[in-house]
Amino acid sequence: GQQLNQSPQSMFIQEGEDVSMNCTSSSIFNTWLWYKQDPGEGPVLLIALYKAGELTSNGRLTAQFGITRKDSFLNISASIPSDVGIYFCAGRLLTSGTYKYIFGTGTRLKVLA
Amino acid sequence: NAGVTQTPKFQVLKTGQSMTLQCAQDMNHNSMYWYRQDPGMGLRLIYYSASEGTTDKGEVPNGYNVSRLNKREFSLRLESAAPSQTSVYFCASSPRRRANEKLFFGSGTQLSVL
Repeated sequence: GQQLNQSPQSMFIQEGEDVSMNCTSSSIFNTWLWYKQDPGEGPVLLIALYKAGELTSNGRLTAQFGITRKDSFLNISASIPSDVGIYFCAGRLLTSGTYKYIFGTGTRLKVLA
Repeated sequence: NAGVTQTPKFQVLKTGQSMTLQCAQDMNHNSMYWYRQDPGMGLRLIYYSASEGTTDKGEVPNGYNVSRLNKREFSLRLESAAPSQTSVYFCASSPRRRANEKLFFGSGTQLSVL
């Protein structure tokens, strides 16, 4: 099935460090979304991107919609312990009049205090 | 505001047993989705319902059935559970306003099939 390539798969970083992760696809999307999942919970939306080249921030998080529309990037600045979790990218496409969301395989982030 | 509510939170089944996972949303959303999450594989779409009265297969529909009971509720049924269906199941909904549509998730159902 169609899935997005997300990297890295996992990261161990020190508190205060910056984090970068990305998502690539062979397909073009008109919307990119970034989600965070805490243990035992469902994914929660962090940032939504709607235009190629768009750069959007949410606090310490910044995401970009790639110019080719086939990739997206998420940066977390000055990481803190509560940033731990799994981060998913999702691309949205229109199929038969309905939006479908294709998810990446996730980046598992662990922050060492 | 509850958002998307899933029940049960946990379930253990024996091979061949049946069960229904329930999902309800109180955001007046048109579209609802069922995903399964497996280690290293992200979220894969099982079935979705673009609007009340319609359902369509997603990426991994085999072994599942769904019912869009009304605008609020979308259930997922396993008629004869198999160990390969051990997974975490998420229900999601979206408003279907095209410009800024986003997915909102429930907290998941962890299912184990022995």
